[in-house]
Amino acid sequence: EAQVTQNPRYLITVTGKKLTVTCSQNMNHEYMSWYRQDPGLGLRQIYYSMNVEVTDKGDVPEGYKVSRKEKRNFPLILESPSPNQTSLYFCASSKGGYNYGYTFGSGTRLTVV
Amino acid sequence: GQQLNQSPQSMFIQEGEDVSMNCTSSSIFNTWLWYKQEPGEGPVLLIALYKAGELTSNGRLTAQFGITRKDSFLNISASIPSDVGIYFCAGPMRNQGGKLIFGQGTELSVKP
Repeated sequence: EAQVTQNPRYLITVTGKKLTVTCSQNMNHEYMSWYRQDPGLGLRQIYYSMNVEVTDKGDVPEGYKVSRKEKRNFPLILESPSPNQTSLYFCASSKGGYNYGYTFGSGTRLTVV
Repeated sequence: GQQLNQSPQSMFIQEGEDVSMNCTSSSIFNTWLWYKQEPGEGPVLLIALYKAGELTSNGRLTAQFGITRKDSFLNISASIPSDVGIYFCAGPMRNQGGKLIFGQGTELSVKP
C-alpha cells in the first residue's frame, strides 16, 4: 500500500530532551515536507526537501532540523524541544512538487512539558 | 508571510443541505488544491485546479478556480454525516518548488 509512515504517533517529552520523529514513504517521491498543525492556524510548513541532500526552510523552521540522506526518509529533529513546539506534526510527500499536492502521513502528536 | 484566508471558519448544517466555502489570497496562484482532514488523520487531497475559471467535480464536491486567480471555491451538495471534517485550501508558492501553503481551514459539522 502506497503510504507515508510517521513514528511515533504520540510522544510526550520534557523540555530540552532531543527527539527525532521519523518519516518514510514507499512511493519513490522526490518531494517531502514537514508541517505542524495548531488550532486556528491551519497547517504551517516547517521544512521541505526537493531531493536527496536538498532541503529548504518553510514558514516556521526555527527550533527544527531535517536531513534527507535517502530518498524515502525525511526525519524531523528537535534538538532542544520547548513547550511552544507542542503540536500535531505531519510528514508529507509528493511525486512532482506542488502541482500534484502532497500525500500526508497520519500525524505525530507531540507534547513538550 | 503569504496567507490564504478561508471562510467560514466553521459551519453547522443539517444533513442534505448544500455547503459553500471559499479561499482568498492577496497574491495570484497558478494552482489551487482542496484537502479534507478527518479526525485523527492527515489531510487527503480532494480536488486540484490548474487553470483560471476551471470547474472540477469529485462526486458531490465541486471546486472552482477563480478567474482573478486570487480565490477558489468549494461546494458540497446534499451533505451527509461522513462529510464531517476540516476542509483546507492550499496553493504553491511561485518559483519555490515544494513550498505549499494552507489556509486556516473550514470545520464542517453535519447534523443527521
